[in-house]
Amino acid sequence: EVQLVESGGGLVQPGSSLKLSCVASGFTFSSYNMHWIRQAPKKGLEWIALIYYDSSNKYYADSVKGRFTISRDNSKNTLYLEMNSLRSEDTAMYYCAKAATGAWYFDYWGQGVMVTVSS
Amino acid sequence: DIVMTQTPSSQAVSAGEKVTMSCKSSQSLLYSENKKNYLAWYQQKPGQSPKLLISWASTRESGVPDRFIGSGSGTDFTLTISSVQAEDLAVYYCEQYYDTPFTFGSGTKLEIK
Repeated sequence: EVQLVESGGGLVQPGSSLKLSCVASGFTFSSYNMHWIRQAPKKGLEWIALIYYDSSNKYYADSVKGRFTISRDNSKNTLYLEMNSLRSEDTAMYYCAKAATGAWYFDYWGQGVMVTVSS
Repeated sequence: DIVMTQTPSSQAVSAGEKVTMSCKSSQSLLYSENKKNYLAWYQQKPGQSPKLLISWASTRESGVPDRFIGSGSGTDFTLTISSVQAEDLAVYYCEQYYDTPFTFGSGTKLEIK
């Protein structure tokens, strides 16, 4: 059974940093591309980052480019999202998601971790 | 960026009724080389993370009830629930994975009368 478990969220002040983790199990993590997607309170879904299975390529939404960094450690079956210069508009539930085989859509999602940016 | 537009924003139906919801993209999601539409549908029930229902515009995921039907091509897509059940209460999102940034529609909230 595929499982994705996010952690590392919390309440932080504007301008600060936070690093999210997503531990994967139930599939060969090192063979799959992975995403981060977020959802602001009572709002829709926003894709924010993609990393290839071997970390060879990374893509970001314009809203986070230059501030957020996606990375992975295949030896630990873990996906990361390092978030710097956080703003109030980054307040959201953050989901990690597995990319489907041979395509970019999201076939499995984690339960999400909440990040609140407020003074 | 590809803009995804979903209508209606909300819909209330009685159990057993048929419901359709629309998703339109600002450019074609049909890739000419493989004739596939790069469009997925997700279901998000209250308090839960989204769940993949349909990929490639019309391919139902394993375990998804056959009352969920995806159709359409190019820029116009539809999700039909042939006979709504109480457990279908959710927000339904379409998403294009044709190109980055991958983008979602704003969702259709399905309410059960």
